[in-house]
Amino acid sequence: DIQLTQSPSSLSASVGDRVTITCQASQDISDYLNWYQQKPGKAPKLLIYDASNLQSGVPSRFSGSGSGTDFTFTISSLQPEDIATYYCQQYDNLLVTFGQGTRLDIK
Amino acid sequence: QVRLQESGPGLVKPSQTLSLTCTVSGGSISSTNYYWSWIRQPAGKGLEWIGRIYTSGSTKYNPSLKSRATISIDTSKNQFSLKLTSVTAADTAIYFCARDVLVTTVPSWFDPWGQGTRVTVSS
Repeated sequence: DIQLTQSPSSLSASVGDRVTITCQASQDISDYLNWYQQKPGKAPKLLIYDASNLQSGVPSRFSGSGSGTDFTFTISSLQPEDIATYYCQQYDNLLVTFGQGTRLDIK
Repeated sequence: QVRLQESGPGLVKPSQTLSLTCTVSGGSISSTNYYWSWIRQPAGKGLEWIGRIYTSGSTKYNPSLKSRATISIDTSKNQFSLKLTSVTAADTAIYFCARDVLVTTVPSWFDPWGQGTRVTVSS
C-alpha cells in the first residue's frame, strides 16, 4: 500500500497568513495527488487535483505543487472561512489512500 | 448539477450486515466517465476508501476490508449500494458515497460527495 504522511497534523495561523501543508508519499506517485477541504459536519470538498490544478470555483488563494513523493498545499492568505481539516489523497495504483489530515484553526 | 444522497439504517447489530444505498440525481450513473465509490470516516478520524464500481458492474475494493464489502449498481434506479458483512464496533463511522472521476481510464478524484450517513454498530 502507498502511505501518505501529512504534516503538520494541526496548526494555528492568523487571518492573512500564508499556510503550508505537506504530504509525503511512501513511493513515487507522479502527480496523482489531490487535496480536499472538510469543514465540521460536512463532506470533503475537492480543491486541487493532479497536484497543482485548481478545481473550478475554488478561490485562487489555494494552490498545490509537487510531484514524485513530495507535495505541498498552500493557502496564500488565510481567511476565516478556511478553518477546516485538509486531506491529501493518492490514486497511483487504482487503490486509494488518504493522508491522516491537517486540522487548521485560527490563532 | 450532480447530487448524491446516502440512505440506510443508522444502527446495525454486531455480526450483521450493513446495507447502504446512494441515489444519484442530476446525472446518469451509466456515464462512462465515472466510477462510483464508498468512503467512510470514523468519528474524529480520517478517511478510508472502501471501494468503487463502474456502470458495467466492475468493482475494486480496499484489501483492508478482507472481502467483507460488496458494491452493486442498479442503473434503472440510478443507485449504487454497499453491503458490509460481519460488522463490529470498528465499522461505526460516517459513510460517504462519491463520484470517482475517470481521467482517460484511471479513476482519479472524488467529486462531488454525498452528505454522509452515520452508522453505529451496537447491540
